Amino acid sequence: LAKTTQPISMDSYEGQEVNITCSHNNIATNDYITWYQQFPSQGPRFIIQGYKTKVTNEVASLFIPADRKSSTLSLPRVSLSDTAVYYCLVGDLNNAGNMLTFGGGTRLMVKP
Amino acid sequence: GAGVSQSPSNKVTEKGKDVELRCDPISGHTALYWYRQSLGQGLEFLIYFQGNSAPDKSGLPSDRFSAERTGGSVSTLTIQRTQQEDSAVYLCASSLAWSGAPTNYGYTFGSGTRLTVV
Repeated sequence: LAKTTQPISMDSYEGQEVNITCSHNNIATNDYITWYQQFPSQGPRFIIQGYKTKVTNEVASLFIPADRKSSTLSLPRVSLSDTAVYYCLVGDLNNAGNMLTFGGGTRLMVKP
Repeated sequence: GAGVSQSPSNKVTEKGKDVELRCDPISGHTALYWYRQSLGQGLEFLIYFQGNSAPDKSGLPSDRFSAERTGGSVSTLTIQRTQQEDSAVYLCASSLAWSGAPTNYGYTFGSGTRLTVV
């Protein structure tokens, strides 16, 4: 299983762009990178997923360099409601068992 | 249903009692997962069901924990002789089998059952 490393916490201010980087040095060829968001008292929520280069949806962008040993979740113009814990997972989607491990996540605090 | 439903949402039990937690996955989702999350901590994997295959029980912390999934749908997590360290939020998630098409394949989580053992 590809182990992931993320910063424990980050602070930002409303309106700023936030970039959270996840390291996964031993990512395998078949592994995808998936990010989840968790608010207090709720289960995690899928945000974005990618294999290489850049993926963008209505919520965030995911940047993956050519060597795929890291990935960066980018949240544009954050608001107070983006305060949450963000988890990076790496695994082979053909084998859901490889997606089982959530790390400690990054606790993002957005300030006014 | 539209989402993953868990019941009860809150459960307070006395130490030594047995508890059953229920999960109704999204209809058609073949995979079902149980996680545990202690206050302020990350998610701890407990058990994983995929279709008719034998479940992956590698995350169950002790033999007091067991889970069933009947008819490939509803799942029940049972904790026998509860201990105070079992207090946590128990989260259930479900997913489709990956079709091979990128991307946006992920788990859908329920809101969890908050278990308090007193």
